[in-house]
Order: sequence, then C-alpha cells, then structure tokens
Amino acid sequence: GIQVEQSPPDLILQEGANSTLRCNFSDSVNNLQWFHQNPWGQLINLFYIPSGTKQNGRLSATTVATERYSLLYISSSQTTDSGVYFCGSRLTFGEGTQLTVNP
Amino acid sequence: EAGVAQSPRYKIIEKRQSVAFWCNPISGHATLYWYQQILGQGPKLLIQFQNNGVVDDSQLPKDRFSAERLKGVDSTLKIQPAKLEDSAVYLCASSPHQETQYFGPGTRLLVL
Repeated sequence: GIQVEQSPPDLILQEGANSTLRCNFSDSVNNLQWFHQNPWGQLINLFYIPSGTKQNGRLSATTVATERYSLLYISSSQTTDSGVYFCGSRLTFGEGTQLTVNP
Repeated sequence: EAGVAQSPRYKIIEKRQSVAFWCNPISGHATLYWYQQILGQGPKLLIQFQNNGVVDDSQLPKDRFSAERLKGVDSTLKIQPAKLEDSAVYLCASSPHQETQYFGPGTRLLVL
C-alpha cells in the first residue's frame, strides 16, 4: 500500500511564528487531505488538495502530485493551532506532526 | 447543523468480550467511514459505506470485526471477540462528497 511520511514529527513554536509541514507519499495519491486533530482528539478537515494550492485564512497547502509531496503552511501561529496535523489519503494517513504553539 | 454523533464515548472491556459502537452521520451524507486510530498513529480506514452498500472493507479484520449500515443512515461497528491490540479510538466520519470528511468525537476503547 501507499506509504505516507510526515516531517517533522514534532514542532514547537512561539506564537506568531510561521511553519511548514511536509508530507511525502510513496505512490500517486488522488485524494490527498490535511487534517488537524486538536488536543481533545477532534479531527477537522483542513484541505482536500490532490494537486495545486489552496488557502484558508492563515493556512495554505500545496501539493505537487508529480513529485509526490504536499506542504502545509501555517502563518502567524496561534496557541489554538496546537495539536497533531495529519496528511494522507482516504485509506492511509501519516503518523502526524505534533505542533505545540507557546504563548 | 448537527455533527457526527458517536456512542459510547468510552468503553472498557476484557479481552474476548464483545463490544459495539454506534454512529449517526450528518443528515444527508451518503458516505460513512469507520477508522481505527491507535495511540500515536494516524487513522486507518476500516470500512467505507456509500448509502447502505460497502465500498471498501479491505482493511477490516473480518474474522473479528463487522459493520453494518442499515437504511443508509446509522451504522454500527462490532468487535467479537476483542483482543488487547484493539485498544484504540474508533472514529466515524461522514461525507456528502469525496472532498470533505466530517469526523465524530470518537469512541475510546480499552481492552484489558
């Protein structure tokens, strides 16, 4: 099956900083998504992005399908951005990036 | 709009016992998913329904796990008998189309 690798595994930021999370996948994925899991375990869909670039407020994502990677950008981070960010397809997700934003 | 509902929220059982989880998707969502999320890992799809038909159950351990979605609305996921390695959060999600999945709060299962 498709393997999904996310980096970095852990990230600690000060409030207001910017960050980039990366997702590499071993084979073509036609339904790549990014999710945020908050500290209470709730999963929220951020982007459905099989290719191209999308933006939603302070978050944006880019997928280069031909090179099998996707990036999630978080600008001006806030403490509420803390949690685990997952990327993956419907079948398979990576192990996530644990983001901690300190005030 | 009400979100995806799941119950129970927590369940503790002993190995070899049976357990069932219930999910009520967002009204009008034709697609329903069950995921297993083991601590420290990403969610793994167990089964996907489109209305009341199974679209994908390739990752469902069919010797002990079963799921149904009667009348294309609510769904139940059953484990019989449970093993220690089944300890996880079981997430239900629904979707009106392929692009966006809406997740429920999950059921935390601990098998002793």
